[in-house]
Amino acid sequence: GAVVSQHPSWVICKSGTSVKIECRSLDFQATTMFWYRQFPKQSLMLMATSNEGSKATYEQGVEKDKFLINHASLTLSTLTVTSAHPEDSSFYICSATIPDRTSGYTGELFFGEGSRLTVL
Amino acid sequence: QKEVEQDPGPLSVPEGAIVSLNCTYSNSAFQYFMWYRQYSRKGPELLMYTYSSGNKEDGRFTAQVDKSSKYISLFIRDSQPSDSATYLCAMIKNQGGKLIFGQGTELSVKP
Repeated sequence: GAVVSQHPSWVICKSGTSVKIECRSLDFQATTMFWYRQFPKQSLMLMATSNEGSKATYEQGVEKDKFLINHASLTLSTLTVTSAHPEDSSFYICSATIPDRTSGYTGELFFGEGSRLTVL
Repeated sequence: QKEVEQDPGPLSVPEGAIVSLNCTYSNSAFQYFMWYRQYSRKGPELLMYTYSSGNKEDGRFTAQVDKSSKYISLFIRDSQPSDSATYLCAMIKNQGGKLIFGQGTELSVKP
């Protein structure tokens, strides 16, 4: 399957600081990437859809100014948690779709390894 | 009511057993169905991907989709301790739409 790389895998930061998480598609170009948040023993919650060259689309209830998403190239999307607080501690996972030559989208999602954020 | 329902378990089986994991859904518009495996502290890994109703087999894994009953299943034959993980079903209405996940079922295969 396709490879999606996420970095860092684990980050600990102090309250009030900002943290950037990178998501890269290693062997394909991803015009669309997705950012999820997952709490322990819970399913994945979609936070936003990241589109290359345009603004991200956020899900209802997700603060745009809190979770900044940038999709500057076809292989890189970043999520920046600004002024992080302990309640932002979570597992953040990105994913990307494989572009289909005919339809533009196959429906298959490939996930990164996830980034665990701990805010002290 | 959630769009996708999945029993969170935990489900514990002995090594070699056949495992059946299931999800139900409420919206008949779902057309693409996926099963993901997620090990602890890792991102989900795509296991099976099916379109519309029918069966799909890949090694020890078989995915079934019954759109008339709004019910999907994942069967694992000859289960191994390495299969111990959380299994998430997911589905999407159309290409380009939002992927909806089940809660995930935690599976433990005991040697």
